[in-house]
Amino acid sequence: QVQLVQSGPEVKETGASVKVDCKASGYTLISYSIHWVRQAPGQRLEWMGWINNGNGNTKYLQKFQGRVTITRDTSANTVYMELRSLRSEDTAVYYCARGDHAYWGQGTLVTVSS
Amino acid sequence: QSVLTQPPSASETPGQRVTISCSGSSSNIGNNYVYWYQQLPGTAPKLLIYRNTERPSGVPDRFSGSKSGTSASLAISGLRSEDEADYYCATWDDSLSGWVFGGGTELAVL
Repeated sequence: QVQLVQSGPEVKETGASVKVDCKASGYTLISYSIHWVRQAPGQRLEWMGWINNGNGNTKYLQKFQGRVTITRDTSANTVYMELRSLRSEDTAVYYCARGDHAYWGQGTLVTVSS
Repeated sequence: QSVLTQPPSASETPGQRVTISCSGSSSNIGNNYVYWYQQLPGTAPKLLIYRNTERPSGVPDRFSGSKSGTSASLAISGLRSEDEADYYCATWDDSLSGWVFGGGTELAVL
């Protein structure tokens, strides 16, 4: 069955970087894009960006431009989201989701502390 | 603020019907499919409705979606206590070239 399994929780200091993995199984990665969405505690869902797994092209929400990079390793069926220069406002659960909206990862809690 | 506008809360009694609205613009809802999610506390969003009106397998037919112009709605009939959750609408935005979400509606089944 289709699954997106994300890496475990992270605790980072202000200014550090975090890289979250999203491993796809049950289908071929290049068949669908992967989107990254985050949710701060008690807040709404916020789209961050996406990667076309067929050609590797990416698009990011402007507020994250320069701080986020989404990459993929098709041989590992895994997509990665790196967020740099972390600040306290980046504390959130980060989700990967398949481009057809049907499958989501379980979420990765990233906590940024000073 | 969210690109898509939803009421922050809704409530109804068990067995009744509730409708949640989602308002957007021509660059998003007006020109693209709408998706609806249910999110229970501490869990990932679960897809309820895709392509405006379609239900994934396993989603009860008590859940239905509609779209007209730049607005969409999610209706839940025969409300049950387990329907208490947050509900989000989402769509593609042509100007953004990415997904946009509503602010979410917290549903209480009284």
